[in-house]
Amino acid sequence: GQNIDQPTEMTATEGAIVQINCTYQTSGFNGLFWYQQHAGEAPTFLSYNVLDGLEEKGRFSSFLSRSKGYSYLLLKELQMKDSASYLCAVRDQRGSQGNLIFGKGTKLSVKP
Amino acid sequence: ETGVTQTPRHLVMGMTNKKSLKCEQHLGHNAMYWYKQSAKKPLELMFVYNFKEQTENNSVPSRFSPECPNSSHLFLHLHTLQPEDSALYLCASSQDMRTSGEQYFGPGTRLTVT
Repeated sequence: GQNIDQPTEMTATEGAIVQINCTYQTSGFNGLFWYQQHAGEAPTFLSYNVLDGLEEKGRFSSFLSRSKGYSYLLLKELQMKDSASYLCAVRDQRGSQGNLIFGKGTKLSVKP
Repeated sequence: ETGVTQTPRHLVMGMTNKKSLKCEQHLGHNAMYWYKQSAKKPLELMFVYNFKEQTENNSVPSRFSPECPNSSHLFLHLHTLQPEDSALYLCASSQDMRTSGEQYFGPGTRLTVT
């Protein structure tokens, strides 16, 4: 079956570092995506991992371990505007078709 | 601006009404998607079109009817909806569904069924 787990809510302080974890179980893994979604807005793409290791992009980094079915999104130097929901999504490859399976999202609140 | 637009942004409709949601992408992509986003639930994939052909219908009730006249436009026709269909309906596009490229989302239509 398919299952993606991530914490429902997290709180962190402006300027700090926060790590949002995601664990997954899929039948045909072909990449993991992180999206950011501010309230009332469209999800926007943050990062993509298909091989094990860390991908860094400015203040945001994403890590993947395929053997453990585990990923995390690391946000450094937190800013108030980082308050949003962070969606973990796994590309489930079945034959020639690869759909995204989303987790419920982690709502991050950044406090002053 | 994501390059994917959706209209209307908000829609209130009665259970006996018929309405349509529209999505347009200006990115030259070949795959388009409809998702439903309800509170405290993950994004649920509803339909997928790749090169104008429907490739996925994720057990969606027939009161939702998609239409894809070309690679840039996607519609979702609604009729005799139920209150539990109230949700945010998101459209997305990607280069095509076989590549690993990310999906680009529109701003969504907030639908309320009364």
